[in-house]
Amino acid sequence: AQSVTQLDSHVSVSEGTPVLLRCNYSSSYSPSLFWYVQHPNKGLQLLLKYTSAATLVKGINGFEAEFKKSETSFHLTKPSAHMSDAAEYFCVVTGYGSSNTGKLIFGQGTTLQVKP
Amino acid sequence: DTAVSQTPKYLVTQMGNDKSIKCEQNLGHDTMYWYKQDSKKFLKIMFSYNNKELIINETVPNRFSPKSPDKAHLNLHINSLELGDSAVYFCASSQDWTAGNQPQHFGDGTRLSIL
Repeated sequence: AQSVTQLDSHVSVSEGTPVLLRCNYSSSYSPSLFWYVQHPNKGLQLLLKYTSAATLVKGINGFEAEFKKSETSFHLTKPSAHMSDAAEYFCVVTGYGSSNTGKLIFGQGTTLQVKP
Repeated sequence: DTAVSQTPKYLVTQMGNDKSIKCEQNLGHDTMYWYKQDSKKFLKIMFSYNNKELIINETVPNRFSPKSPDKAHLNLHINSLELGDSAVYFCASSQDWTAGNQPQHFGDGTRLSIL
């Protein structure tokens, strides 16, 4: 079965400093991985996706993530945080197999706080 | 134009009532989904339809009944609402449910509160 674990439930950074949101995955198949962002009272917006092409994936709003198979990690980074980055972030793996095909399997979410 | 739109955005109702949430997508996708987000923000899939055919039906009380009149619409009807049904319900769509690299596009959610 596939799963993701977001290692931090809450991350607080100052505006202009780097952001690191950590995600580990478990999958017996070659995984497709995503990061989604959810701003307050909004739906989920796709930040970026990994689908077995380049291991360093660039997304929207300056975010990027690196797929590391040896560490089963897919951490999200941004060089310089902006106040508008404050939101909930979800690491997601695509389900495979007879009971999981078509499903997105979500991590628990990380709340990013950006201080002025 | 909103790609995935849900109505209503807020729904406040009494326990025991029956209510429906509607979802429409204008992306031309074949597959649509309903997710439930609980108070701890955990998201879990409930149902999925591909071109009007039910393909995912998670362990959900049978008070919840999805209906897909066409591939652009997926509605969720809930009978005999209970306090535990209070949550945010998200609709989503994707091009193809079998291709794992297809991202899903989400609506803004329906915030259901049971009094």
